[in-house]
Amino acid sequence: AQTVTQSQPEMSVQEAETVTLSCTYDTSESDYYLFWYKQPPSRQMILVIRQEAYKQQNATENRFSVNFQKAAKSFSLKISDSQLGDAAMYFCAYRRGPPLTGANSKLTFGKGITLSVRP
Amino acid sequence: DVKVTQSSRYLVKRTGEKVFLECVQDMDHENMFWYRQDPGLGLRLIYFSYDVKMKEKGDIPEGYSVSREKKERFSLILESASTNQTSMYLCASSLQYNEQFFGPGTRLTVL
Repeated sequence: AQTVTQSQPEMSVQEAETVTLSCTYDTSESDYYLFWYKQPPSRQMILVIRQEAYKQQNATENRFSVNFQKAAKSFSLKISDSQLGDAAMYFCAYRRGPPLTGANSKLTFGKGITLSVRP
Repeated sequence: DVKVTQSSRYLVKRTGEKVFLECVQDMDHENMFWYRQDPGLGLRLIYFSYDVKMKEKGDIPEGYSVSREKKERFSLILESASTNQTSMYLCASSLQYNEQFFGPGTRLTVL
């Protein structure tokens, strides 16, 4: 079974600084998808970024980027120019790759990390 | 925009009551999911469904059942609520191989 580990329960960053959130996973598969989700306080969970394992290039979305190390099974999220609105709980998640049947659509989540942003 | 709605944001029930949590999505997604979220445990999958009337157990199905009679609606049922089912319940939906979209959550307290 796949597992996702977020070993740091909490982190803090100064506004405008850069922070990196760590995530490791365990799988025997070669094709899969990785995600970072953000859950602001009392608000809905939203997708931040996704990475396909077959792509060597790291995904980026504006101030958010990942460092995907397939051999090390590591998938960290870097937030640049941190803003107060980045304060949230962040979850790393894994999904199996093809065949893209319904059963493969489920996600395995890490326990999450609470990020606070200091003004 | 995809919209996933849940019937209640907050719910208080008594031990032994039958509880229904409803989830509706408006984007014709095949897949729907129910998770519970507890501090220090992250999100754990209870049940999911990848087609109408189809359901599969997730990691923690004990004490729960589900119903999916229509594509847009996925219900979570607690047959006899217990205090250890006090939690935040999140519903999500997705197309076959795209990311999941989440509802706002229902915070259930069982007294």
